[in-house]
Amino acid sequence: AQKVTQAQTEISVVEKEDVTLDCVYETRDTTYYLFWYKQPPSGELVFLIRRNSFDEQNEISGRYSWNFQKSTSSFNFTITASQVVDSAVYFCALSERDTGRRALTFGSGTRLQVQP
Amino acid sequence: DTAVSQTPKYLVTQMGNDKSIKCEQNLGHDTMYWYKQDSKKFLKIMFSYNNKELIINETVPNRFSPKSPDKAHLNLHINSLELGDSAVYFCASSPWLTGENYGYTFGSGTRLTVV
Repeated sequence: AQKVTQAQTEISVVEKEDVTLDCVYETRDTTYYLFWYKQPPSGELVFLIRRNSFDEQNEISGRYSWNFQKSTSSFNFTITASQVVDSAVYFCALSERDTGRRALTFGSGTRLQVQP
Repeated sequence: DTAVSQTPKYLVTQMGNDKSIKCEQNLGHDTMYWYKQDSKKFLKIMFSYNNKELIINETVPNRFSPKSPDKAHLNLHINSLELGDSAVYFCASSPWLTGENYGYTFGSGTRLTVV
């Protein structure tokens, strides 16, 4: 069965610090998809990135970057020069293709607090 | 032009009542989902429908009954509400085929409070 682990329950940093959110996943499927979502205090789920299992290229989008390593089953998320607006709960999630399950399995989330 | 819309946004009701939450998507997706987020922020799949067919039915009390009248709508009816049903319920949709546009779009959530 699939599983996503976010071991960091809460992280607190000061503005402008870099911070990395860890995500480790388990799946038996050979084709799967990994996602990161942001949930700000307002409560909505904001899509950040999708990564396919066959594409291990790292990705950078502004201050955000993602490091996907199949060898360690990890998909970590780094925020560079954090800002107060980055304060939110961040979820890593997994979906599988071949099982036909499709639904996202979420990690337990990491609450990031960025202090001014 | 909201992609996935849920109504109502807030729902406060007494124990024992029956209530419904509605969800509609205008993205042309053929798969829809209900997720429950508890007070500790855990997000868990409850149900999934593909083209009006139930494909995922997690361990959910049978007081919860989803209904999909067409592939753009997925409603959630809850009978005999209990205090433990208090949570935020998210509707989501996605294409079934995992192509370039594969991804999940979430509604803004319905905060259900049972008193």
